[in-house]
Amino acid sequence: ETGVTQSPTHLIKTRGQQVTLRCSSQSGHNTVSWYQQALGQGPQFIFQYYREEENGRGNFPPRFSGLQFPNYSSELNVNALELDDSALYLCASSPPLGTSGTYEQYFGPGTRLTVT
Amino acid sequence: AQSVAQPEDQVNVAEGNPLTVKCTYSVSGNPYLFWYVQYPNRGLQFLLKYITGDNLVKGSYGFEAEFNKSQTSFHLKKPSALVSDSALYFCAVRDKVYGGATNKLIFGTGTLLAVQP
Repeated sequence: ETGVTQSPTHLIKTRGQQVTLRCSSQSGHNTVSWYQQALGQGPQFIFQYYREEENGRGNFPPRFSGLQFPNYSSELNVNALELDDSALYLCASSPPLGTSGTYEQYFGPGTRLTVT
Repeated sequence: AQSVAQPEDQVNVAEGNPLTVKCTYSVSGNPYLFWYVQYPNRGLQFLLKYITGDNLVKGSYGFEAEFNKSQTSFHLKKPSALVSDSALYFCAVRDKVYGGATNKLIFGTGTLLAVQP
């Protein structure tokens, strides 16, 4: 069983640029969530995708957007990067409700984004 | 609004001794509670969850957690600590936003567990 994978591992961008982060969900999981973890803090929920639609969003501006594809993989896009966007971005996938592991989220290793 | 609090930034324990990492919660209704562990430069690993049922929940790597409704706590425990348990531990609660995200987790600030040999 393949776990959640994310790419790239590390990324350095300049303020004002745009970035795309990618996530492949664990086999059998149909829901993907994205979290931002700033240094020394707990993860903060960005949004969740289910059936290729966003169905929940945290307190993040519209320049944070995403996609989910038919194979349940997902992308996180951030436009007009700011210095404060520097963080570890975590993707998590979840199995369908009613199956083993309901409500559990399984995290990928993350993408470390540095904005200079 | 749902929230969790981890009152200790760091917990130090000697190898072989029992460990406890504290978590308290504030939710409306019945809470869905989770513990995750994070090793340096890694993502979060699921340890255990409480949804309903027995107050003592057993999880991965010998960890367990006790749900206490009267004290609104969900402390993580292990009878005998290992040096390899040294990591950052996060308590989380599922946010109940009906009609919105069903799996949104609200995390605590984390507790660094240091196990000395």
